[in-house]
Amino acid sequence: GDSVTQMEGPVTLSEEAFLTINCTYTATGYPSLFWYVQYPGEGLQLLLKATKADDKGSNKGFEATYRKETTSFHLEKGSVQVSDSAVYFCALHKTGANNLFFGTGTRLTVIP
Amino acid sequence: DTAVSQTPKYLVTQMGNDKSIKCEQNLGHDTMYWYKQDSKKFLKIMFSYNNKELIINETVPNRFSPKSPDKAHLNLHINSLELGDSAVYFCASSLTTSADTQYFGPGTRLTVL
Repeated sequence: GDSVTQMEGPVTLSEEAFLTINCTYTATGYPSLFWYVQYPGEGLQLLLKATKADDKGSNKGFEATYRKETTSFHLEKGSVQVSDSAVYFCALHKTGANNLFFGTGTRLTVIP
Repeated sequence: DTAVSQTPKYLVTQMGNDKSIKCEQNLGHDTMYWYKQDSKKFLKIMFSYNNKELIINETVPNRFSPKSPDKAHLNLHINSLELGDSAVYFCASSLTTSADTQYFGPGTRLTVL
């Protein structure tokens, strides 16, 4: 079945450090891939998405590239800020389906 | 101008009670969802409605009954609450059933004592 595997957290980084959160997926066909972010006490917000192979999604300094050959969609940011502290979810949506499959979430804490 | 709203934000109740959570979206979307997020932050789909009709009903106890009076609203009623129902429940919507981007509400934290 379709699934998303995400890097286990928690991840703690110092401000301005480089961030990578790994995400790999299993799905037939060509799913769309997403990163959602959940700030403390809030709901999920769409951070970025990519809908086909080699697409790069980017937003707020974060980016992720849809790699079909490695079935991955790793999230990266060059210089994290304290305000980036949140839980990050990788998710996939299969064409024709109508729900998202989420990874287990990765909690990021950025310390000053 | 809230896109997807839920009420209440927090709900604390005793075991055995019946409670409802309401969700409304003002995006003009056809499809709405309920997700459950457990204590480990794992998110799982519970239900999906398209234009007031049930599309997805995952393996959820029949104590949970969604109701969609119109396509802008999807409420969740839970009978005979159990300790294991404690979680955060998120409502979401998308333009159509096949649209890939979903917009989430702020969540309702349910605590069953």
